[in-house]
Amino acid sequence: SAVISQKPSRDICQRGTSLTIQCQVDSQVTMMFWYRQQPGQSLTLIATANQGSEATYESGFVIDKFPISRPNLTFSTLTVSNMSPEDSSIYLCSVVAGQGYDGTNTGELFFGEGSRLTVL
Amino acid sequence: AQSVAQPEDQVNVAEGNPLTVKCTYSVSGNPYLFWYVQYPNRGLQFLLKYITGDNLVKGSYGFEAEFNKSQTSFHLKKPSALVSDSALYFCAVRERMEYGNKLVFGAGTILRVKS
Repeated sequence: SAVISQKPSRDICQRGTSLTIQCQVDSQVTMMFWYRQQPGQSLTLIATANQGSEATYESGFVIDKFPISRPNLTFSTLTVSNMSPEDSSIYLCSVVAGQGYDGTNTGELFFGEGSRLTVL
Repeated sequence: AQSVAQPEDQVNVAEGNPLTVKCTYSVSGNPYLFWYVQYPNRGLQFLLKYITGDNLVKGSYGFEAEFNKSQTSFHLKKPSALVSDSALYFCAVRERMEYGNKLVFGAGTILRVKS
């Protein structure tokens, strides 16, 4: 299993500001995933982040709103830009179990504890 | 697109009784299915998965799930519920993408175990 640390664990933000969430993994992984869990809702994939390339965004999510960095194989950041109350959610970082993921693994994910954002 | 459905928003069960949390799937090809649990103010924890092989899959914390191809179901079960099992449970299915795989989650089912 992988140990995933996220910072901040929670924050209260003002409308119009931006916040960057950090995700640190204790092992090298090829792909990292960012999910959003809105209040009382399920998880929705925001984007997939590969080291050394641009993140791949899911339908309904754009880079200007959710820029992602992936500077190395153990770290990623997600920024929530120009926040509004609708962005109040839990943001979760996740990685695929095992190293050397090449797109053919079975795909169970390990998750960080999440970052709970409240936008006022 | 692959999808899973969890028909029950909430399941209530008495401690010591068996529990079942339902999940049905819609996939093309062979399904890769997963169950996760989320405790309050925590991230998701992996419980178990079905890839191939035995239809009864055993996982963490005494949970198991039964894969039923004819009914396209993957229900989560436990013979004897504990109060500490109270949490939010998600069923998920793997979806192949051009750049790799991703998990698609169901809406979630709240499990309440009463003593």
